[in-house]
Amino acid sequence: RKEVEQDPGPFNVPEGATVAFNCTYSNSASQSFFWYRQDCRKEPKLLMSVYSSGNEDGRFTAQLNRASQYISLLIRDSKLSDSATYLCVVNRGGSQGNLIFGKGTKLSVKP
Amino acid sequence: GAGVSQSPSNKVTEKGKDVELRCDPISGHTALYWYRQSLGQGLEFLIYFQGNSAPDKSGLPSDRFSAERTGGSVSTLTIQRTQQEDSAVYLCASSRQGYYGYTFGSGTRLTVV
Repeated sequence: RKEVEQDPGPFNVPEGATVAFNCTYSNSASQSFFWYRQDCRKEPKLLMSVYSSGNEDGRFTAQLNRASQYISLLIRDSKLSDSATYLCVVNRGGSQGNLIFGKGTKLSVKP
Repeated sequence: GAGVSQSPSNKVTEKGKDVELRCDPISGHTALYWYRQSLGQGLEFLIYFQGNSAPDKSGLPSDRFSAERTGGSVSTLTIQRTQQEDSAVYLCASSRQGYYGYTFGSGTRLTVV
């Protein structure tokens, strides 16, 4: 099983739609979870951290289910500018050092 | 500086040549990471430096790859005897503390011909 798995998409949605991405991770020792956004031919940028209690940042909501080793990202009222690849990111449990990146889910928001 | 700076932004090299990629992290960031991203693929961890600790080299794909960090600041990733499969975007990131708040540079796009 891959360390971090995501549906590659693409998800093609109209403006204003609500879209959800899911991610699973294999290492039960992982403690920290993030969503990063990567625009085409650009570097990844931190979108939000994911907390056990779930957290919201404007139109974005992240959820974590430790028992199922599952992370989700919900985007409400999609904007054209949300078009990007969304990377699910998990720390490699037991090491402070590095993050494991999923291959990403591509989102395309159409007018 | 204001962000993580990488140079060169693009590098085309002949197979078998050595290349050096440079990363200048954000001032005050003690942690520095190298990743690479092949076309259509996810980010692959290469190496991690944290302060004066021994680097975590567990991601380096072969002994042709090495990296150093001088004075706790600038880092150089060296690839010896480059192969075509080394073609990728090499990304450097730094953070103030551990894996929180990674900031990536814009990367070096390496093409081995």
